Amino acid sequence: QVQLQESGPGLVKPSETLSLTCAVSGYSISSGYYWGWIRQPPGKGLEWIGSIYHSGSTYYNPSLKSRVTISVDTSKNQFSLKVSSVTAADTAVYYCARQAGGATNPVFDYWGQGTLVTVSS
Amino acid sequence: DIQLTQSPSFLSASVGDRVTITCRASQGISSYLAWYQQKPGKAPKLLIYAASTLQSGVPSRFSGSGSGTEFTLTISSLQPEDFATYYCQQLNNYPPTFGQGTRLEIK
Repeated sequence: QVQLQESGPGLVKPSETLSLTCAVSGYSISSGYYWGWIRQPPGKGLEWIGSIYHSGSTYYNPSLKSRVTISVDTSKNQFSLKVSSVTAADTAVYYCARQAGGATNPVFDYWGQGTLVTVSS
Repeated sequence: DIQLTQSPSFLSASVGDRVTITCRASQGISSYLAWYQQKPGKAPKLLIYAASTLQSGVPSRFSGSGSGTEFTLTISSLQPEDFATYYCQQLNNYPPTFGQGTRLEIK
C-alpha cells in the first residue's frame, strides 16, 4: 500500500522560506509516476503547486512558479517543497500526493494526511 | 487557467436520497475530469477519473458522466459516510485546477 507522509515546520515567519518533505513508503519513487504538492488554505479549496518525476523533471503552477522549488531524493524515497518569500496567503494545509495519468493528465490517487503550515511572526 | 464551477455549493440531503453535483468547465476538457471526496480534517480521496471511471475500491453507488464542459457526479443512494465535501478537478490543461467544492450535509 502506497503511503505518503509530510513533515516540516508548522510555523514560518513572513518573508522566510517554507520547507516540507514528503516520505513515500510502499512504492519506490524511482519506479515511476510523478509526485505532487497541493495546498488548501483553511476553509477554502484546493490549489495544485507543482509536481516532479524521479528524473527531476518538474512542472509548476505559473501562479507560484517564481517562488517554488520541488526536488526529489530517490535514495531516501522522498521529495521536497520549498516556497520562498512567504506571506500570510501561503498559510494552508499542504498535501503531497502521487500523480497518476503521467505528465499530461495529472490525477492524484494517493495522498498524504496533510500538514498545516501557518505563516506568522 | 481553466475555471471549474460546481453547483450547488451546498446540498442538504437525507440517507437514501439520490443526489447529483454538477461541474462546469470554462472551456472544453474532453473527458479529463476527476472527482474527489474530502471529509473534515482528512485528505481528498479520488473517486472517479476520466469523467466516469470508478477508482478501485469506490462503491458503485458513485457514478460520473459528462464530457466537454459539463459533468455530473451522482450518488445513487446516500449513505451516512457519504456526507462530505466533493471537488472536481480538470486534468486536460496545465495547471490542473479544482472546483470550489460542494458541501453535502445531512438533512
